[in-house]
Amino acid sequence: EAGVAQSPRYKIIEKRQSVAFWCNPISGHATLYWYQQILGQGPKLLIQFQNNGVVDDSQLPKDRFSAERLKGVDSTLKIQPAKLEDSAVYLCASSSAFGGTDTQYFGPGTRLTVL
Amino acid sequence: DQQVKQNSPSLSVQEGRISILNCDYTNSMFDYFLWYKKYPAEGPTFLISISSIKDKNEDGRFTVFLNKSAKHLSLHIVPSQPGDSAVYFCAAWNSGTYKYIFGTGTRLKVLA
Repeated sequence: EAGVAQSPRYKIIEKRQSVAFWCNPISGHATLYWYQQILGQGPKLLIQFQNNGVVDDSQLPKDRFSAERLKGVDSTLKIQPAKLEDSAVYLCASSSAFGGTDTQYFGPGTRLTVL
Repeated sequence: DQQVKQNSPSLSVQEGRISILNCDYTNSMFDYFLWYKKYPAEGPTFLISISSIKDKNEDGRFTVFLNKSAKHLSLHIVPSQPGDSAVYFCAAWNSGTYKYIFGTGTRLKVLA
């Protein structure tokens, strides 16, 4: 079974530029999560999708971050414009169902550096 | 407001000995707890979990203990192996808010 795929693995941009990350979850997984992990901290949930609908985006900075999950499969997370404090690893995870008892499978992450 | 805390940023243990990683939480509404292990340049991988209705769950060398009155959980690894060297995150799930909250992680180093 293929795991969660993310690209790119690394990205360096200047502040005020835009960037987009892509995630392909495990086939058949209904739930998809995007997390932000700042160095020295635990992952912080930004948004979670159930199929192509948003379940929770309360911690997504909507003035600059956006995410979509077209057709309930792949997802993209965009930052526009980026700030220095957006430097972090962006993790995508998926699970077969919705709920805390269902195991999340994480991708390798995208390390973003904003200069 | 850090609802899930891992107060030890790092821990070193000799191979073969027990590793004990601790996690404290403040929200009594959490009803499910998980431990994840993370190697460098990889995403976290699920290790073990426990429901709030239990006080212990065991899976091979890994045991998680939950003390609800103290709002404390711990992960025991016995015996510890060099391959266990990684960052360990505890996470808590609130079924009322559908939110996962992760702790800040503990870096475990098992010395051969």
